[in-house]
Amino acid sequence: AQSVTQLDSQVPVFEEAPVELRCNYSSSVSVYLFWYVQYPNQGLQLLLKYLSGSTLVKGINGFEAEFNKSQTSFHLRKPSVHISDTAEYFCAVTLGAPDMRFGAGTRLTVKP
Amino acid sequence: KAGVTQTPRYLIKTRGQQVTLSCSPISGHRSVSWYQQTPGQGLQFLFEYFSETQRNKGNFPGRFSGRQFSNSRSEMNVSTLELGDSALYLCASSNTEMRNLYGYTFGSGTRLTVV
Repeated sequence: AQSVTQLDSQVPVFEEAPVELRCNYSSSVSVYLFWYVQYPNQGLQLLLKYLSGSTLVKGINGFEAEFNKSQTSFHLRKPSVHISDTAEYFCAVTLGAPDMRFGAGTRLTVKP
Repeated sequence: KAGVTQTPRYLIKTRGQQVTLSCSPISGHRSVSWYQQTPGQGLQFLFEYFSETQRNKGNFPGRFSGRQFSNSRSEMNVSTLELGDSALYLCASSNTEMRNLYGYTFGSGTRLTVV
């Protein structure tokens, strides 16, 4: 079975500081990994995805994530955050399961 | 091209009533999945429809049902509403063969409040 754990429920940071949102997954087979962002009262928007190949994946809005197979992690990073990055971020995994499995989410709050 | 459209955006219902939510997927997408999002439980999978057939179902009571029409539009119905059904209901469409590669495209959701 596949599952996803987001290690931090809330992450407060100051504007222009770097940020890392942590995600670990468990699966007995190779998986595809995704990060989604959700702004208040909106649906989820795809930030980036890892399918295969290079372990460093670049996404929209300056975000990137690194796939680490040995540590079964897929952490999301941004070198310098903006106020507009305040949102909830979800890590997700899929392959073979009937549905995409989501983590519980990390609320990123960027302070001025 | 148009995204995933969910209607209505907001609903307020009374306990015991029933409700129907609608989702129009991206043109050409034949798979529609429904998720319930609550602060306590996060995103929980309700069911997936593909070509008018329910392919997969999550762990929800029979009060939650859905259907898909020939044009791929989908509806979900919740009968005998309970306070705990208050949630954001998200619809996600995909080109099923590529779901594992491209993920889902989500609608903006329907915020259901049961009073």
